[in-house]
Amino acid sequence: AQSVSQHNHHVILSEAASLELGCNYSYGGTVNLFWYVQYPGQHLQLLLKYFSGDPLVKGIKGFEAEFIKSKFSFNLRKPSVQWSDTAEYFCPTGGGNKLTFGTGTQLKVEL
Amino acid sequence: DAGVIQSPRHEVTEMGQEVTLRCKPISGHDYLFWYRQTMMRGLELLIYFNNNVPIDDSGMPEDRFSAKMPNASFSTLKIQPSEPRDSAVYFCASSLGTSGSHEQFFGPGTRLTVL
Repeated sequence: AQSVSQHNHHVILSEAASLELGCNYSYGGTVNLFWYVQYPGQHLQLLLKYFSGDPLVKGIKGFEAEFIKSKFSFNLRKPSVQWSDTAEYFCPTGGGNKLTFGTGTQLKVEL
Repeated sequence: DAGVIQSPRHEVTEMGQEVTLRCKPISGHDYLFWYRQTMMRGLELLIYFNNNVPIDDSGMPEDRFSAKMPNASFSTLKIQPSEPRDSAVYFCASSLGTSGSHEQFFGPGTRLTVL
């Protein structure tokens, strides 16, 4: 079964800084990778997803992630963060139709 | 289209009382998931259904928790009796299995406080 791990639990950045959140997976068959975001007080929303094709995936709000098979990684990136990007970010593990989310990465963007 | 609908949005109850949380999935979706979110444990999967049938309830913490899905458009999560440690935000999500994407759509959640 596929498993995924997120590197950082808390990240603090200043506005306009570049963002990269790490997500590493262990290959276990079909690769279905996601990033979800949860803004304060809100529910989870899909940021982007990868199943096949172009390994560079564009998501909403200027986010992107690149699937690098040789490194078993699916890191989330944004060239210039904004205060409104303050949120919790999840890179869930997948197994069939079931996803395991865990604690995610808390991102705080300071003005 | 309406997304996943949950009710109530907030629930405050006293220890020992029965609590029922409700969820209406997106029409046509055949998978339904119940999650619990706390600071300590993050987002935990409690149980999920496929075509109204419970598939995996290994995340249900104990016998005080039960979930049902009597039809394709409605599910309940019941806690009886409730305890203060059950205080959390409970999310319901649904997905379309035949889409192949496994993307889950989340409801707004129910914030439960047990005093």
